[in-house]
Amino acid sequence: AQSVAQPEDQVNVAEGNPLTVKCTYSVSGNPYLFWYVQYPNRGLQFLLKYITGDNLVKGSYGFEAEFNKSQTSFHLKKPSALVSDSALYFCAVRAPSGTYKYIFGTGTRLKVLA
Amino acid sequence: NAGVTQTPKFQVLKTGQSMTLQCAQDMNHNSMYWYRQDPGMGLRLIYYSASEGTTDKGEVPNGYNVSRLNKREFSLRLESAAPSQTSVYFCASSVSGGRDEQFFGPGTRLTVL
Repeated sequence: AQSVAQPEDQVNVAEGNPLTVKCTYSVSGNPYLFWYVQYPNRGLQFLLKYITGDNLVKGSYGFEAEFNKSQTSFHLKKPSALVSDSALYFCAVRAPSGTYKYIFGTGTRLKVLA
Repeated sequence: NAGVTQTPKFQVLKTGQSMTLQCAQDMNHNSMYWYRQDPGMGLRLIYYSASEGTTDKGEVPNGYNVSRLNKREFSLRLESAAPSQTSVYFCASSVSGGRDEQFFGPGTRLTVL
C-alpha cells in the first residue's frame, strides 16, 4: 500500500534562513510526488511536482524539492525563508499505474519568525 | 476563470439530516475529487471521478454518495449526517488523474451536532 510520512508537525525557522520540510514515501514503482501549501481558511495550492527526470524540481515562490529514490524522500526546500511562507505544507504521492488515488501526508506547519 | 467553486462555505446540520455539497470547475478538467480534512489526519479521499460518467470510492466513502452531473460538476451527498462527519470538505479537479496536479476549491466547513 502506498503511504506518505511528514515526520514533523511543525518547523520553525528564522526569516532569511534556509528551510526544509521533510517527506518520505512508500509506493510500488516510480512515484509521482507533489507538494501543496495551504494558507489559513483556504484550499490547497500546488507548489511543485516530480514525475521523472531531474531529481531537483523547482516550483512556485522560490521553493524546490529533491527526489531521492534510495532514501524514498522528497524534501521541500527554500534557500531563504520569508514570513509570508508561514503556512501548512502537504506532501502527496500517487502510484504511476492504475488507481487515480492520491495519498496526502498529515501536513507540516511552517512558522517563519521575523 | 473562477477555478473550482464550492457551495456552501459553512453549514451546520443536526444528526440525521441530509445535505448536498456542490462543486463546479471551469477549467475543462476530466478528473474531480472530494476530500475531507481533519486535524492531524491530513486530507483523505472520499470519492473521485476519473472522467465524466465514472465515480469510484476513495479511502473513506462510508456515509457519502457522489454524482458527476456533467464534466463541470461533482456533488457530494450526506444522506444521514453523523457527528463523525464534522470536517472541512474540499473539492479538487485535475486535467486527468495521472501526472497532473490538482486544483482545490475554498472548502466547506461542516458541523454536525
